[in-house]
Amino acid sequence: DAKTTQPPSMDCAEGRAANLPCNHSTISGNEYVYWYRQIHSQGPQYIIHGLKNNETNEMASLIITEDRKSSTLILPHATLRDTAVYYCIVRLNTPLVFGKGTRLSVIA
Amino acid sequence: DTEVTQTPKHLVMGMTNKKSLKCEQHMGHRAMYWYKQKAKKPPELMFVYSYEKLSINESVPSRFSPECPNSSLLNLHLHALQPEDSALYLCASSTRGSTDTQYFGPGTRLTVL
Repeated sequence: DAKTTQPPSMDCAEGRAANLPCNHSTISGNEYVYWYRQIHSQGPQYIIHGLKNNETNEMASLIITEDRKSSTLILPHATLRDTAVYYCIVRLNTPLVFGKGTRLSVIA
Repeated sequence: DTEVTQTPKHLVMGMTNKKSLKCEQHMGHRAMYWYKQKAKKPPELMFVYSYEKLSINESVPSRFSPECPNSSLLNLHLHALQPEDSALYLCASSTRGSTDTQYFGPGTRLTVL
């Protein structure tokens, strides 16, 4: 069963913020939201994860709605190297299960 | 350091060959994973090792045989593969188990002729 819904593709202009949405309406109270990305033919790269509060690290910010039914990954200043497939994954104590993700294309 | 290494980077093998993929991490992680990724598809879980013991096998055919000789090393032994087994094979590790963040290696690109 798909736990998350993401748009199949998005474009973003270089230097602008990229906002990637994810719906997870069936999330349970103690499940985390994880984000990974996969640049072409490389291994998935961990970006960030959160439970309830917004989170920020050197790569991105994660905004989770108060009802926790959706979240947004924000890349504040997208570069061409951010072109990748971005996966939003909801999990608690299971290995990562990947959905189809969002293909983000950063355009010069 | 969150590095997982995989060798070889590329592998071409015939259907009668026996080969092995290797994965290594020196982060002290005690859980290790194998994923398979076909072209233009998301990664799919194959096996999970926890404290050197196989804990999850996602109904993978027996021509794929995992091995975890120690806490730093994970192998995937391949025998009598089919062309449809051609894929990117990804290894990952996490601190203790499935509650922890998984870190992935770069993968081995396997082609079965």
